[in-house]
Amino acid sequence: KNEVEQSPQNLTAQEGEFITINCSYSVGISALHWLQQHPGGGIVSLFMLSSGKKKHGRLIATINIQEKHSSLHITASHPRDSAVYICAVPSRGATNKLIFGTGTLLAVQP
Amino acid sequence: EPEVTQTPSHQVTQMGQEVILRCVPISNHLYFYWYRQILGQKVEFLVSFYNNEISEKSEIFDDQFSVERPDGSNFTLKIRSTKLEDSAMYFCASSSQGWDGNTIYFGEGSWLTVV
Repeated sequence: KNEVEQSPQNLTAQEGEFITINCSYSVGISALHWLQQHPGGGIVSLFMLSSGKKKHGRLIATINIQEKHSSLHITASHPRDSAVYICAVPSRGATNKLIFGTGTLLAVQP
Repeated sequence: EPEVTQTPSHQVTQMGQEVILRCVPISNHLYFYWYRQILGQKVEFLVSFYNNEISEKSEIFDDQFSVERPDGSNFTLKIRSTKLEDSAMYFCASSSQGWDGNTIYFGEGSWLTVV
């Protein structure tokens, strides 16, 4: 079974700062998901990536398959970025079952 | 932007009562899922559903739980006799193919409180 670890668990930043959230997993995968959970609880998919880097607006996600590590970066952070960011990977041997990390609670202060 | 819709957004029920949570997945998606998140904990997989049958379920998904696609649009999760520990946010999700290489779309969740 895949194990997922995220760091940091909590992160407070000032508006405009560059933010990095890290995710490590234990078993080789074909794709990793970054998700955002709103304060109200809803979950939105941000990225699904299997190699290299993806960019969407101020969000950048990278993955190193050999090192079993992924990072989510937020450039020019804004208070509206405040949310929980979660990485999720397929469970070993079952690609349609995701194992979720504990999430990183990000608070961006104006 | 297509979306997964869930109802109700919040339900309070007495212990031992049956609960049905409803979901309308994205119309051309073929894979459907239920996840849950107990307050303060990680999101956990419950069950996946494809081609009108369960493709995988977790150890959480015991005989008290069932899923159904009663028509071409709805996907439901039934809890037959709720327990206090069933209190959680339940998320429905769908994808056009299996997880591998495909974006997953989540609903806004249904808060279930068992009293």
